[in-house]
Amino acid sequence: NAGVTQTPKFQVLKTGQSMTLQCAQDMNHNSMYWYRQDPGMGLRLIYYSASEGTTDKGEVPNGYNVSRLNKREFSLRLESAAPSQTSVYFCASSEIRAEKLFFGSGTQLSVL
Amino acid sequence: EDKVVQSPLSLVVHEGDTVTLNCSYEVTNFRSLLWYKQEKKAPTFLFMLTSSGIEKKSGRLSSILDKKELFSILNITATQTGDSAIYLCAVEPPTSYGKLTFGQGTILTVHP
Repeated sequence: NAGVTQTPKFQVLKTGQSMTLQCAQDMNHNSMYWYRQDPGMGLRLIYYSASEGTTDKGEVPNGYNVSRLNKREFSLRLESAAPSQTSVYFCASSEIRAEKLFFGSGTQLSVL
Repeated sequence: EDKVVQSPLSLVVHEGDTVTLNCSYEVTNFRSLLWYKQEKKAPTFLFMLTSSGIEKKSGRLSSILDKKELFSILNITATQTGDSAIYLCAVEPPTSYGKLTFGQGTILTVHP
């Protein structure tokens, strides 16, 4: 039982490049989330998907797009990476009425 | 806009000390307040608090919520080096499970 799996674990991009962060969960959860973590700022919600087929913006959605491919998978895309998107990205999932989130192990992204 | 503030931002103690971490919030309405521990990678769940004045305990860790004064504390007694981590506080809105607003986190370092 892997829980929430994110790939890649590390990535270095040049400004303007694009990439997709992948996330998959095997807990049959309905809801999935993308957070970013920056020093001194805690975690901030980028996008979330309350259920398969739906997505919605969180606190900091600019510069990102998401796709809820199916119930298991939720991807985050950076179309044109900027240095301000250098961060650690966490995917998470939960049941609709869960008490807590389950987090993936994170993706450390650097944009030069 | 919901706001969660943690203090102190960092704390250095020696093994055996007792620490109190603070979380105050400016949130008009919320379903629960949660505490997470983050070591090297993903945050892991510690406590969920929904009612004021009821202490939750798990071993050497305990937490309580004061809804009147809008804060929560996390206590760790007889600290160990394994308690070194970032401790995150978050509030969950009443209708959107998992859409957490996090505080900045408290970095706890426990020296032997």
